[in-house]
Amino acid sequence: KNEVEQSPQNLTAQEGEFITINCSYSVGISALHWLQQHPGGGIVSLFMLSSGKKKHGRLIATINIQEKHSSLHITASHPRDSAVYICAVRRGNQFYFGTGTSLTVIP
Amino acid sequence: DVKVTQSSRYLVKRTGEKVFLECVQDMDHENMFWYRQDPGLGLRLIYFSYDVKMKEKGDIPEGYSVSREKKERFSLILESASTNQTSMYLCASSLSGEKLFFGSGTQLSVL
Repeated sequence: KNEVEQSPQNLTAQEGEFITINCSYSVGISALHWLQQHPGGGIVSLFMLSSGKKKHGRLIATINIQEKHSSLHITASHPRDSAVYICAVRRGNQFYFGTGTSLTVIP
Repeated sequence: DVKVTQSSRYLVKRTGEKVFLECVQDMDHENMFWYRQDPGLGLRLIYFSYDVKMKEKGDIPEGYSVSREKKERFSLILESASTNQTSMYLCASSLSGEKLFFGSGTQLSVL
């Protein structure tokens, strides 16, 4: 069983919709990261969280340490948000990754 | 911004060849990582290094070795490439306790 589970695996949304991607983990962590990977592109870090909530533009990330759960929300989704979103947890100096959520936003 | 540079974007090699993948970062990060990414499996750690000349095995080190002679450079070596090593290889670096920075990846095909 993977230490980091994401859902859903695939998501298709209409432009403008509110999107939620979920991440659950089973181990103690130092921090949780949300990453974005565009097709053919490298991976960029969106958020690093150890508690509470962070917001950057239309993206919001939350974490509940007690429940070992995090969510990534995208408000007013746009086709350029189409990408794979990856949840990763850090324990010490190592990172453990979910298998990613592939998001497609249709105009 | 931190830059993590991987030497090749695409690479085609033959079975049995020795393959070198180079990664250089420009922000004095002590931690460097090599991952492979395969469809449905996510990112899997091959090796990581937390200091010059230091290395630790990750989850799938078999068939690979690494070298870190200088802080900014972390090399991944496939001693004798096999077809099951066809994959996307991603290098990353970080400061301890901070976020990861990734290179753009090397898509390796072993024929």
